[in-house]
Amino acid sequence: DTGVSQDPRHKITKRGQNVTFRCDPISEHNRLYWYRQTLGQGPEFLTYFQNEAQLEKSRLLSDRFSAERPKGSFSTLEIQRTEQGDSAMYLCAGSASSAETGARIAGELFFGEGSRLTVL
Amino acid sequence: AQRVTQPEKLLSVFKGAPVELKCNYSYSGSPELFWYVQYSRQRLQLLLRHISRESIKGFTADLNKGETSFHLKKPFAQEEDSAMYYCALGTSGTYKYIFGTGTRLKVLA
Repeated sequence: DTGVSQDPRHKITKRGQNVTFRCDPISEHNRLYWYRQTLGQGPEFLTYFQNEAQLEKSRLLSDRFSAERPKGSFSTLEIQRTEQGDSAMYLCAGSASSAETGARIAGELFFGEGSRLTVL
Repeated sequence: AQRVTQPEKLLSVFKGAPVELKCNYSYSGSPELFWYVQYSRQRLQLLLRHISRESIKGFTADLNKGETSFHLKKPFAQEEDSAMYYCALGTSGTYKYIFGTGTRLKVLA
């Protein structure tokens, strides 16, 4: 168990509806990442937070996507006006700074089990 | 542009045979390279990272900056090694990880 939980595990929705996913990392995870994974592809970076600050957002992320981490703990990813192309597994990962890696790069990513979105 | 390439979608080997999963990267800065693994019905997890220079479950990987490669190797494959393997690039100055498309390793009895 990585300590990262995601909810819901599976969401089926109709095109045009809004959906929200939640990620709960452990308290030590000062960094939190969202990735998207489609069949046959690797995880695709969407965005990440350092504490409550959203530091980077992929250019692939349209304006319909928004993510928050209001208190630097849990995070939500909302997709508005869903499209069939949004169908994918949405992965959340937590990471903690470590003395080993210092400021160069984040440490190990601890992934949740993912939230699978199906847009009909 | 930052990119990770894993040329093989599927690699099948017999038990006891050597394994090499290829990974090439494109990055102008100082890279951090990782291998992540996903076993059936389990979440993605770290296998090893180049800065640790360690062997995990018999796997090793050496960063070759000249060839921009970070191939994963194991001298004798075991059936329990069957999984999806993803190579990942960490970029200095940011904390973004870029993943390859993955290689499915099947170890045959």
